[in-house]
Amino acid sequence: EDQVTQSPEALRLQEGESSSLNCSYTVSGLRGLFWYRQDPGKGPEFLFTLYSAGEEKEKERLKATLTKKESFLHITAPKPEDSATYLCAVPSGGYQKVTFGTGTKLQVIP
Amino acid sequence: DVKVTQSSRYLVKRTGEKVFLECVQDMDHENMFWYRQDPGLGLRLIYFSYDVKMKEKGDIPEGYSVSREKKERFSLILESASTNQTSMYLCASSFSGNYGYTFGSGTRLTVV
Repeated sequence: EDQVTQSPEALRLQEGESSSLNCSYTVSGLRGLFWYRQDPGKGPEFLFTLYSAGEEKEKERLKATLTKKESFLHITAPKPEDSATYLCAVPSGGYQKVTFGTGTKLQVIP
Repeated sequence: DVKVTQSSRYLVKRTGEKVFLECVQDMDHENMFWYRQDPGLGLRLIYFSYDVKMKEKGDIPEGYSVSREKKERFSLILESASTNQTSMYLCASSFSGNYGYTFGSGTRLTVV
């Protein structure tokens, strides 16, 4: 059965303290890995797509990387406005379906 | 700015009521999805549609039905609302072959 596991469940950082979030997956035939950001009470917002091991994508203070078994979302010098839940997802379970992880809730303290 | 619009941000309904959640997208996407999101359980797929009048069950379809009469609109129907359907409901859409979804802002449904 395809699985997506995110760790840690919650992360509290001081402003400027860099860290990484992890998304590990077990799927047959990876067709991409997706990162989303979700603010409280809102729908997820698409951040990145990664398709192959070694690929990297960047957006402001965020950088996503991909290996054959996991993806990392690196946050460099975070600010309080980076506080959100970060979700990863992989295509899985049939046509056009994806499996989501349960997310990492990030809190950045001023 | 392209978007997915859900008709209500908050809804309170009584047990046994028939509830309609509406979703409209303006991106000409073929695929549309309904998810519910609960703490600790993440996002779970209820139904999806890959074309007008086409629908497929997701992981938790029991107690729900859907309607897609036009490409841009996908409705979720709770036939007889129950308290265990209290949740955040999220609509999403995508182009065929693209697994990156665009989500709406969500509807927080409370069934009392």
